[in-house]
Amino acid sequence: DQQVKQNSPSLSVQEGRISILNCDYTNSMFDYFLWYKKYPAEGPTFLISISSIKDKNEDGRFTVFLNKSAKHLSLHIVPSQPGDSAVYFCAASGTGNQFYFGTGTSLTVIP
Amino acid sequence: DGGITQSPKYLFRKEGQNVTLSCEQNLNHDAMYWYRQDPGQGLRLIYYSQIVNDFQKGDIAEGYSVSREKKESFPLTVTSAQKNPTAFYLCASSIVARSNYEQYFGPGTRLTVT
Repeated sequence: DQQVKQNSPSLSVQEGRISILNCDYTNSMFDYFLWYKKYPAEGPTFLISISSIKDKNEDGRFTVFLNKSAKHLSLHIVPSQPGDSAVYFCAASGTGNQFYFGTGTSLTVIP
Repeated sequence: DGGITQSPKYLFRKEGQNVTLSCEQNLNHDAMYWYRQDPGQGLRLIYYSQIVNDFQKGDIAEGYSVSREKKESFPLTVTSAQKNPTAFYLCASSIVARSNYEQYFGPGTRLTVT
């Protein structure tokens, strides 16, 4: 059973506009969330994280929002750049040592 | 340069053969992980190790085996018992095996079994 879901397999955005990637989770015990970026034939690289004690975390062009009541998080990229084109995975963890990953959203930023 | 190396990048094997995937890290991380990625699916945990000489099964450990004899190394053996071994395999490490530490990933090994 998929505990972390990314319901949009792909997203296309014009360069300079905002990209919003969404992620839903089912386990209310999750308290730490991460976003990873992955280029083809490479391993994922860590992008940004958020703890459940916060509802927003910002790092440059990347902002992650957490809505605990809705069990939803989103990644905003502003402004989007062609180099942002990649697959983005969200991941969640709780009291255990295991991360649960979503299925990924492929972002294409059109120049 | 600190990082995680996985070799080879591409691996081809005949059905029925065991194959071992290499993973080495020089980040001095205690914890190491093996994931499998299939098309349209997220990363699924195969095994993880919190410390040398210790490892635990993940969600899909059947048909796989691991060892952790050295802190830097966490090889994964895909045995002939694994029904669908063709996949992209990712190794990761973290400072410790706690949920609020991000994992660092290697470049992956694409295994094809025919």
